[in-house]
Amino acid sequence: DAKTTQPNSMESNEEEPVHLPCNHSTISGTDYIHWYRQLPSQGPEYVIHGLTSNVNNRMASLAIAEDRKSSTLILHRATLRDAAVYYCILRDVKYGNKLVFGAGTILRVKS
Amino acid sequence: NAGVTQTPKFQVLKTGQSMTLQCAQDMNHEYMSWYRQDPGMGLRLIHYSVGAGITDQGEVPNGYNVSRSTTEDFPLRLLSAAPSQTSVYFCASRRLAGGRGTGELFFGEGSRLTVL
Repeated sequence: DAKTTQPNSMESNEEEPVHLPCNHSTISGTDYIHWYRQLPSQGPEYVIHGLTSNVNNRMASLAIAEDRKSSTLILHRATLRDAAVYYCILRDVKYGNKLVFGAGTILRVKS
Repeated sequence: NAGVTQTPKFQVLKTGQSMTLQCAQDMNHEYMSWYRQDPGMGLRLIHYSVGAGITDQGEVPNGYNVSRSTTEDFPLRLLSAAPSQTSVYFCASRRLAGGRGTGELFFGEGSRLTVL
């Protein structure tokens, strides 16, 4: 399985944008990039995913580098409710049944 | 909408006891999986299933058994509990059709297990 590397923690001010980076230098052509987040004492929840093009949804945006070796999850206006652990995960479409989580990035949001 | 339901939410066992964590989903998802999460760590995949009668091992399968007799249910059995199995366990499911690279995973609320 291709691996991802994320910073252990990041801090943001409320109402400001947050850019959460993820490196995946060994990504294969069939790997989708997925992001999940886990709020305190809850199960993870899906945020967004993409393959090659940048993606937007109601929760966030995903910017994928042209060489696909890195990506950035963008929260446009952080709120206190966005404080969570954010996981960047690769899923190979050929072997897409397993979803392997890393340690993730702890996002702290200051008011 | 019930989604993914896990029972029990909390359980305390003694070393050597066996038990089953239940997981049920009402979304007709083909794929179901079990993860464990230890304090301060990410989730590790224990076992997964892509349909009734089909199961496979994840990263940390030792000490756990699974079976999938129906689409809805995917129980996780601890055969002889050990303190190292103290953890929070999450069940997750997703649709398989429509491309295996996609498919949002839906998680249950978790089952907190303590083995003394």
